[in-house]
Amino acid sequence: GAVVSQHPSRVICKSGTSVKIECRSLDFQATTMFWYRQFPKQSLMLMATSNEGSKATYEQGVEKDKFLINHASLTLSTLTVTSAHPEDSSFYICSARRLAGHSSTDTQYFGPGTRLTVL
Amino acid sequence: GQQLNQSPQSMFIQEGEDVSMNCTSSSIFNTWLWYKQEPGEGPVLLIALYKAGELTSNGRLTAQFGITRKDSFLNISASIPSDVGIYFCAGHPDTDKLIFGTGTRLQVFP
Repeated sequence: GAVVSQHPSRVICKSGTSVKIECRSLDFQATTMFWYRQFPKQSLMLMATSNEGSKATYEQGVEKDKFLINHASLTLSTLTVTSAHPEDSSFYICSARRLAGHSSTDTQYFGPGTRLTVL
Repeated sequence: GQQLNQSPQSMFIQEGEDVSMNCTSSSIFNTWLWYKQEPGEGPVLLIALYKAGELTSNGRLTAQFGITRKDSFLNISASIPSDVGIYFCAGHPDTDKLIFGTGTRLQVFP
């Protein structure tokens, strides 16, 4: 299979603190990982594309200095929410792209998500 | 930006009934994917479609990639209680990015 894990599964923090979320591809290598945010009863919105060994590409409206992404290895990407505030409370989901040798069949496998609550 | 609109927004059906939902786009997509998300979990891939007109089944699920490449539908036959969840369509326009639809919330009553 293709398993993606996230840690922690849920985190509660005080306003102003920073929180790091890890995304790991457990049984395959992923040169590209993606970070999404999902607010209650809404769809997944892409925040950024994380490429191993290079800078992440952020979607319009996503502050790169607030949401720091590091993709230091082929199996790990991290998202750090800096100086978190209550409006950052959300469900953060990562995905890892498994290469099938043909771009049209590359599949993204999603992690189980991390519920962030900022008090 | 590109958007994927799903309908219906929610469905309340009785166990055993068939379900049909669809997804439309204002622009052409090269790939259509259907995911299911359960509460507190990430989305799980159900069916992937790569060619216009393609019809693919996965057990009780059937999905089709519209000929215009701007729409797709998902059918679930003989629904069961564990089909409950939110179903999302998603697609690749012309890049690595995956754009998600607005979701269809399915509730199945025994």
